[in-house]
Amino acid sequence: NAGVTQTPKFRILKIGQSMTLQCTQDMNHNYMYWYRQDPGMGLKLIYYSVGAGITDKGEVPNGYNVSRSTTEDFPLRLELAAPSQTSVYFCASSYSIETQYFGPGTRLLVL
Amino acid sequence: GQQLNQSPQSMFIQEGEDVSMNCTSSSIFNTWLWYKQDPGEGPVLLIALYKAGELTSNGRLTAQFGITRKDSFLNISASIPSDVGIYFCAGPNNAGNMLTFGGGTRLMVKP
Repeated sequence: NAGVTQTPKFRILKIGQSMTLQCTQDMNHNYMYWYRQDPGMGLKLIYYSVGAGITDKGEVPNGYNVSRSTTEDFPLRLELAAPSQTSVYFCASSYSIETQYFGPGTRLLVL
Repeated sequence: GQQLNQSPQSMFIQEGEDVSMNCTSSSIFNTWLWYKQDPGEGPVLLIALYKAGELTSNGRLTAQFGITRKDSFLNISASIPSDVGIYFCAGPNNAGNMLTFGGGTRLMVKP
């Protein structure tokens, strides 16, 4: 099993550009999550999903959108990139809330 | 909302030394989790604690669920270079639908 995969690994965006961060899991987990990790900080939940077709906001959802059309995929969309969105983004999936499996992360720089 | 405070923020130790770090909260948690993030990777669950007073080991790692339910401790014995990374405590929020993460303790080990 590949586990949780994320693409791209690294991206530089200009202010106002949009992009989609891809996340795929092959463990048939119902729960999926998007976090951001700012330098020297912990993880903040952006959005989560408890199953295909169901999404909900986390702690820091502003400036992001998600969709969950399949169990495997949970893309994160940035519509108008801002410097404050410079961060490392982690996708995770799980059967239960405690044991989350994280992807390798996407490093995003907005200039 | 619920917050988790970790201390120390960083530690620089000699290989072979024992390490102790803790996590505190002003509110009660019913589950305590300890994750480790290797450099450049996503976090991985190390230990999960479900009962007040519980002491659980995973190899050289030992974690305890505080009696008050407001704190947890992680100890690493005989540290080795591969222990380097960021250690996060985490716990489910009251609704049980998302994890709150602490700010992390960054561990550096000198060979």
